[in-house]
Amino acid sequence: DVKVTQSSRYLVKRTGEKVFLECVQDMDHENMFWYRQDPGLGLRLIYFSYDVKMKEKGDIPEGYSVSREKKERFSLILESASTNQTSMYLCASSQQGSSQPQHFGDGTRLSIL
Amino acid sequence: AQSVTQLGSHVSVSEGALVLLRCNYSSSVPPYLFWYVQYPNQGLQLLLKYTTGATLVKGINGFEAEFKKSETSFHLTKPSAHMSDAAEYFCAVTSSNDYKLSFGAGTTVTVRA
Repeated sequence: DVKVTQSSRYLVKRTGEKVFLECVQDMDHENMFWYRQDPGLGLRLIYFSYDVKMKEKGDIPEGYSVSREKKERFSLILESASTNQTSMYLCASSQQGSSQPQHFGDGTRLSIL
Repeated sequence: AQSVTQLGSHVSVSEGALVLLRCNYSSSVPPYLFWYVQYPNQGLQLLLKYTTGATLVKGINGFEAEFKKSETSFHLTKPSAHMSDAAEYFCAVTSSNDYKLSFGAGTTVTVRA
């Protein structure tokens, strides 16, 4: 089975801090994704990466950046955390091709105080 | 751009009753459609997907969905609800010329004993 591991299940940070969320997948997938999930809004794509060092903005990239130095690892960075970034963050990976399903980690619930 | 509308944010069913979750999509090209389930404090898990071919798709845990192009729908059903079906369900759409998966807002299912 595909395993997508997010480094933290719960995280509490303060406004203005630089925050790193880490995600690792073990199936050699080309594509990796970061979403945020908020009640009533479903999942919204923050960033997408289709190869090492390659990234594309999703629907809500403002206030976030990403890093993909190795194929298995995709990091989400909150440059200067704000309270409106309190949310559930989900990482996913998939093989190439849009018909391929995405496999999700268990999520990181991030609270910015 | 594609989009998904899930009708009903909450559905309550009795154990043993039919589960019907509604999903309508908007897409200018042939869609790829997915249903995911999210159990509390977990990531999303693929239930089933439609890409091409047979329009009635069977998934895990006894769920199935039917792609109806004329109605732009992809409703999810299960003949007999089980307590373990209590979860949040997401419909999602993409296409062959898009990498982005667009999610609906989700439907929370509760199962009454």
